[in-house]
Amino acid sequence: DAGITQSPRHKVTETGTPVTLRCHQTENHRYMYWYRQDPGHGLRLIHYSYGVKDTDKGEVSDGYSVSRSKTEDFLLTLESATSSQTSVYFCAIRRQDINSPLHFGNGTRLTVT
Amino acid sequence: LAKTTQPISMDSYEGQEVNITCSHNNIATNDYITWYQQFPSQGPRFIIQGYKTKVTNEVASLFIPADRKSSTLSLPRVSLSDTAVYYCLVGDGTGANNLFFGTGTRLTVIP
Repeated sequence: DAGITQSPRHKVTETGTPVTLRCHQTENHRYMYWYRQDPGHGLRLIHYSYGVKDTDKGEVSDGYSVSRSKTEDFLLTLESATSSQTSVYFCAIRRQDINSPLHFGNGTRLTVT
Repeated sequence: LAKTTQPISMDSYEGQEVNITCSHNNIATNDYITWYQQFPSQGPRFIIQGYKTKVTNEVASLFIPADRKSSTLSLPRVSLSDTAVYYCLVGDGTGANNLFFGTGTRLTVIP
């Protein structure tokens, strides 16, 4: 799991409620990412971070926000969850430079009812 | 995004060598080619990465022709535990932060 812990592993929530997913790494790596995975779409990048308080949008960022107040934690927030955000969410890190491989956590399965 | 094209699925018998080819016609000069493996209910796992020619590690080989517009992942003597989805990625040439995963190749190893 490359020293990555995602929490919670499973969550069911209702439409319109806020949800925060946490990604915690133990190795102080600079780059962290949030992806979502849906059938027929592979993995798509939501947001990424290249340092504390440095974040940027990915391909599917609408409806999501992120925060990184310390190196080890990268939080993904759904301000008002919708059914279209039902998905499996993966956090990833890069251990070295920008061309080094991604290492993923085991995912959070989110269901919005 | 630098997009990739892979076969949707492949079947192979146990013990055979499997080659999965990926097309990436618009790969940029600075892009690396990276392959990942994913099992159900798990995150993708890094297999191998290369820039040109051939790279080999303990689990796979990666062949990249001179024009770099394609690459081939070679898995020697597959076993049932190699049944998974395999993704080929290239960087987008602007810092490699936004990588196109696509839907990958679903490899099924048959006893």
